[in-house]
Amino acid sequence: DGGITQSPKYLFRKEGQNVTLSCEQNLNHDAMYWYRQDPGQGLRLIYYSQIVNDFQKGDIAEGYSVSREKKESFPLTVTSAQKNPTAFYLCASKDRPGNTIYFGEGSWLTVV
Amino acid sequence: GQQVMQIPQYQHVQEGEDFTTYCNSSTTLSNIQWYKQRPGGHPVFLIQLVKSGEVKKQKRLTFQFGEAKKNSSLHITATQTTDVGTYFCAGPVNYGQNFVFGPGTRLSVLP
Repeated sequence: DGGITQSPKYLFRKEGQNVTLSCEQNLNHDAMYWYRQDPGQGLRLIYYSQIVNDFQKGDIAEGYSVSREKKESFPLTVTSAQKNPTAFYLCASKDRPGNTIYFGEGSWLTVV
Repeated sequence: GQQVMQIPQYQHVQEGEDFTTYCNSSTTLSNIQWYKQRPGGHPVFLIQLVKSGEVKKQKRLTFQFGEAKKNSSLHITATQTTDVGTYFCAGPVNYGQNFVFGPGTRLSVLP
């Protein structure tokens, strides 16, 4: 089946540790996105990428890093510099000519 | 920057009652999209509106795009428990490279 796969679904991290969330898509989409969602809140854009080897900061990029070495993959690293990393992280993709955004099932990150 | 607001933030209805959520943008939009997120789930695309004054229907859901293309609404007729979730509107920014989402309206339906 075509879609976006995020892993892990649940992750616990100790303060001071970096963690990387995986996002893989087989939709052949050019654009990929990372959003953060806090409980009961909307979606905030962390980073996005329109093409391989290129990415742009979103509204809340501080404390996060990404890479886009392959079209299919857009991993997000939550660094120890992120003050409040506990949240639900959503990866998404979009085909260049279209406007529909497809979301993965999300990753729940809890800092303990 | 561009802002998208939604009202109400929460809505509790009795099953069978109607529900409406409103979306307002600070700037004119080329199109607007609606997404639904079930509790514990991820947002799922519902519909896109492009034309000024456009109205689209999906069974009990009616979507409308304002004449000035700065506001939109989603109306659900005779709500069911399956309608529970958060409804987001989203508009394109940066020439469509990314999107700004409204904060969402969380709908609860009491059986």
